[in-house]
Amino acid sequence: DIQMTQSPSSLAASVGDRVTITCRASQGFGHYVAWFQQRPGKAPKSLIYGTSSLQSGVPSRFSGSRSGTEFTLTISSLQPEDFATYYCQQYHSFPLTFGQGTRLEVK
Amino acid sequence: EVRLLESGGALVHPGGSLRLSCATSGFTFNDFAMYWVRQAPGRGLDWVSAMSGGAGTTYYAESVSGRFTIYRDIPKNTLYLQMSSVRDEDTATYYCAKGASFATGIIDSWGLGTLVTVS
Repeated sequence: DIQMTQSPSSLAASVGDRVTITCRASQGFGHYVAWFQQRPGKAPKSLIYGTSSLQSGVPSRFSGSRSGTEFTLTISSLQPEDFATYYCQQYHSFPLTFGQGTRLEVK
Repeated sequence: EVRLLESGGALVHPGGSLRLSCATSGFTFNDFAMYWVRQAPGRGLDWVSAMSGGAGTTYYAESVSGRFTIYRDIPKNTLYLQMSSVRDEDTATYYCAKGASFATGIIDSWGLGTLVTVS
């Protein structure tokens, strides 16, 4: 199974900050990584697929990138609605696996 | 607009059975892969099962293989998850999700979830 190690587990930031969340895959597999946002008490929302492609309707302040087996989600300028938990996921092979999640909190 | 509405969550005893449903609308159901993903209370996301569009090839997490069955009713545009021999660790909110194509891979839409409690 491919393990996705996500960091940090929590992060405190302020509106307007630039934040970065990282997932490291246990093996190389190309660009098959997605990112999801989950607000408290709500269902997940798809943000990014294929490492860096935005799902329809996702604001351009969200971006994704890859360096080797390390995948990064960046929010360029935090908005109040962005405080949530974020998950990475690999879909290169079954079983599909998620990172442990990063809780983004207000500083 | 894509809509996914789960139902069927309930309190069930260990060893019991339950069927979850996901009623869909807003897309051609048979053309897209579908997924079940669960989330135990206070925990992260955990993939359970998937079905491809078209031929309907199925996939399962090891933790549920042999106990859960994913299937669909195409005329009813509904996805199901039959859960058998449930365990305490199956307690979770179960989300239905839609793929971006017939092939399994990218998830683009999620339902609101249905809560299963095993106790």
